[in-house]
Amino acid sequence: NAGVTQTPKFRVLKTGQSMTLLCAQDMNHEYMYWYRQDPGMGLRLIHYSVGEGTTAKGEVPDGYNVSRLKKQNFLLGLESAAPSQTSVYFCASRWALNTEAFFGQGTRLTVV
Amino acid sequence: EDQVTQSPEALRLQEGESSSLNCSYTVSGLRGLFWYRQDPGKGPEFLFTLYSAGEEKEKERLKATLTKKESFLHITAPKPEDSATYLCAVQAGYELNFGKGTSLLVTP
Repeated sequence: NAGVTQTPKFRVLKTGQSMTLLCAQDMNHEYMYWYRQDPGMGLRLIHYSVGEGTTAKGEVPDGYNVSRLKKQNFLLGLESAAPSQTSVYFCASRWALNTEAFFGQGTRLTVV
Repeated sequence: EDQVTQSPEALRLQEGESSSLNCSYTVSGLRGLFWYRQDPGKGPEFLFTLYSAGEEKEKERLKATLTKKESFLHITAPKPEDSATYLCAVQAGYELNFGKGTSLLVTP
């Protein structure tokens, strides 16, 4: 039982490059979330999804796009990476709004 | 605007020295308050969910309580292995919003 798996775990990008972070969950959860975590800022919500085919903006969506074509996968895209997007990214999923969210192990992204 | 504030930012305790962490929130229509523990280099790990004022939950040395405006995470006789960052989150609407966390260090 893998839970929530994020790919890759580490990545270094050059400014202007693009990339996609993959989040996969095997718990048949409806809700999925992408957060970024920066020192002193806590976890900030980027985008979220309330079910297959749906996405919505969170607190800090600028510079990111997401897709949820399959229920088990939630993709986070950076079209043109900027140094300000250097962060640790966490994906989470949950069954319902009043249940606990399960987190992945994180992706450490550095943009140089 | 919904808001979650945790205090203190950092806390250093001697082993066995009990204390409390605070999470104050302003949210309309609270649908749940969650406590998580996060170890360095790892994702947050779920501890408790509280749904209504007056509710309490316990797990080993941790006890979480909830009022209409804040939640406390009480740590009784902590051990060094309790050292971690403790995160509070509130559910309002579809979003799960986190505070900045309290970094706890327990020394032998």
